[in-house]
Amino acid sequence: AQKVTQAQTEISVVEKEDVTLDCVYETRDTTYYLFWYKQPPSGELVFLIRRNSFDEQNEISGRYSWNFQKSTSSFNFTITASQVVDSAVYFCALGFGGGTSYGKLTFGQGTILTVHP
Amino acid sequence: DAGITQSPRHKVTETGTPVTLRCHQTENHRYMYWYRQDPGHGLRLIHYSYGVKDTDKGEVSDGYSVSRSKTEDFLLTLESATSSQTSVYFCAISDRDSNQPQHFGDGTRLSIL
Repeated sequence: AQKVTQAQTEISVVEKEDVTLDCVYETRDTTYYLFWYKQPPSGELVFLIRRNSFDEQNEISGRYSWNFQKSTSSFNFTITASQVVDSAVYFCALGFGGGTSYGKLTFGQGTILTVHP
Repeated sequence: DAGITQSPRHKVTETGTPVTLRCHQTENHRYMYWYRQDPGHGLRLIHYSYGVKDTDKGEVSDGYSVSRSKTEDFLLTLESATSSQTSVYFCAISDRDSNQPQHFGDGTRLSIL
């Protein structure tokens, strides 16, 4: 069975602090994808990043960075110098890579991030 | 933005009535999905489709049915709505050949009284 755990239900920080959102996953598949989505207060789901199981390189995009470690089944997300606009619910998700199940996502329960001015 | 339109965006209905939600895409993607979002659960997959008339169940499919008669439309039906189906419903699309990540519609807020 696939499972994604985001242990942090809520995080509160002050603007300009760095914050790391944790994500741990479980799967028996050898080919899979990991995702992060952002859900701002307006409610839509915004795609942030996709990583496949064969690519363990960390990635940086502006203030965002992601640390993928297969050895610990983790895909953590760090926001550097947080801003009020980063306040949102963040979801980590695990996706299937093959066959008719392609793209099916298993989501974590989400982490509510609040950035205070 | 990915061309995904969900309708209606909001609906209030009574227990026992049938409800149909529509997802329309303009991307010609093969795969389409219906999820529901509830507090403390994240998003959970209800049903998905891997082609016209090809559908399968997800994690929380009881009480729901789907149909896909053409590539662009994926319908979710609650045969007899119950209060436990009050939720926000999201449609998503993806396509392996285009290597695009899965994108979501804006959601439908459904309240069953």
